Amino acid sequence: DQQVKQNSPSLSVQEGRISILNCDYTNSMFDYFLWYKKYPAEGPTFLISISSIKDKNEDGRFTVFLNKSAKHLSLHIVPSQPGDSAVYFCAASARNSGGSNYKLTFGKGTLLTVNP
Amino acid sequence: DTGVSQDPRHKITKRGQNVTFRCDPISEHNRLYWYRQTLGQGPEFLTYFQNEAQLEKSRLLSDRFSAERPKGSFSTLEIQRTEQGDSAMYLCASSFYNEQFFGPGTRLTVL
Repeated sequence: DQQVKQNSPSLSVQEGRISILNCDYTNSMFDYFLWYKKYPAEGPTFLISISSIKDKNEDGRFTVFLNKSAKHLSLHIVPSQPGDSAVYFCAASARNSGGSNYKLTFGKGTLLTVNP
Repeated sequence: DTGVSQDPRHKITKRGQNVTFRCDPISEHNRLYWYRQTLGQGPEFLTYFQNEAQLEKSRLLSDRFSAERPKGSFSTLEIQRTEQGDSAMYLCASSFYNEQFFGPGTRLTVL
């Protein structure tokens, strides 16, 4: 049972436009969410995160929105650049009994292609 | 470079052989994680260390798998009697808080 779902395997956008990557989750215990970017033959690179106490977090061209009632989050990239072309993973974690978030549950990823 | 490093980057082995991978985390990070990624999937959690203590192991980690972090610094992941189903990318990550930073991974191919 997939607890984190990225329903779009791929997305193609034009350079300069907005890219919107979506992620849904089913586990209501998840309270911390992260986005990673991955190039072929490399490990995932951390992009941005958001705690469940917030509904938006922004870092440069990247903004993550969290809708807890819908159990949905999205990553917006504005403006999109050809170097953003990669696989994007959504990940979530739940706080354990000790108060720490540690185990990440990942979606299957969305391949973003930004065309010049 | 002060990121997470993993060695080797690639390993090809024959079924039944033992393999060992090494991970060097970011120096000030006390938490270390191992994940496995197969084609078309996201990384899957295997195990977690806080300092030298292994605090959780996934059901994915069969008896053939063992991980150590003897002095709370680097970690090793050993797979005994490898099977073709063990072929995957093995990723190590470290963190001080919630954001985990990943190494480049070790690609294992079992023939």
